[in-house]
Amino acid sequence: DQQVKQNSPSLSVQEGRISILNCDYTNSMFDYFLWYKKYPAEGPTFLISISSIKDKNEDGRFTVFLNKSAKHLSLHIVPSQPGDSAVYFCAAKWLTGANSKLTFGKGITLSVRP
Amino acid sequence: ETGVTQSPTHLIKTRGQQVTLRCSSQSGHNTVSWYQQALGQGPQFIFQYYREEENGRGNFPPRFSGLQFPNYSSELNVNALELDDSALYLCASSLVQQETQYFGPGTRLLVL
Repeated sequence: DQQVKQNSPSLSVQEGRISILNCDYTNSMFDYFLWYKKYPAEGPTFLISISSIKDKNEDGRFTVFLNKSAKHLSLHIVPSQPGDSAVYFCAAKWLTGANSKLTFGKGITLSVRP
Repeated sequence: ETGVTQSPTHLIKTRGQQVTLRCSSQSGHNTVSWYQQALGQGPQFIFQYYREEENGRGNFPPRFSGLQFPNYSSELNVNALELDDSALYLCASSLVQQETQYFGPGTRLLVL
């Protein structure tokens, strides 16, 4: 039973355009969400996060939107750059749970074409 | 500030053997979590250590065990290796209850 779903395995966009990466979750106990970027042969790198008390968080070119009623979040990258090409993981956690474990989706491979 | 480090980077073992993977936390972080990432999947939570005690465990059998040391470094031990244990093993550190976990580069384990 996958509690965090990234249904599109890959996305290809033109440099300078917007990249929109989607993520859905099923567990209503999740109250904190994170996006990680992963290059080959490296560990995941933290990008941006959002608490369930917000519906938007922005950091430079990266914005995450949260729609709690739809149990959906999305990561927007504007403008996209070739260096953004990587695998992006959506992760969720329950802040008041016994531990701070992260539940990950399967990831989306983003390719930004020059 | 030193980030999370892991050793070794790659490892090849045969079925039935035992393996120990090591992790050094980011400076100031007292919580360590271990994850297994199989090919084409997202990382799966194995367990977490805080103050040298296990603080939560995912759906992994008891042959996966761990330790956390007073300096907050950690080990992941896997006994009786199976072919399906072949994966990237990731260590992440954080302050307890802090929202963000910071990952090391991982150890790639191949079981033949």
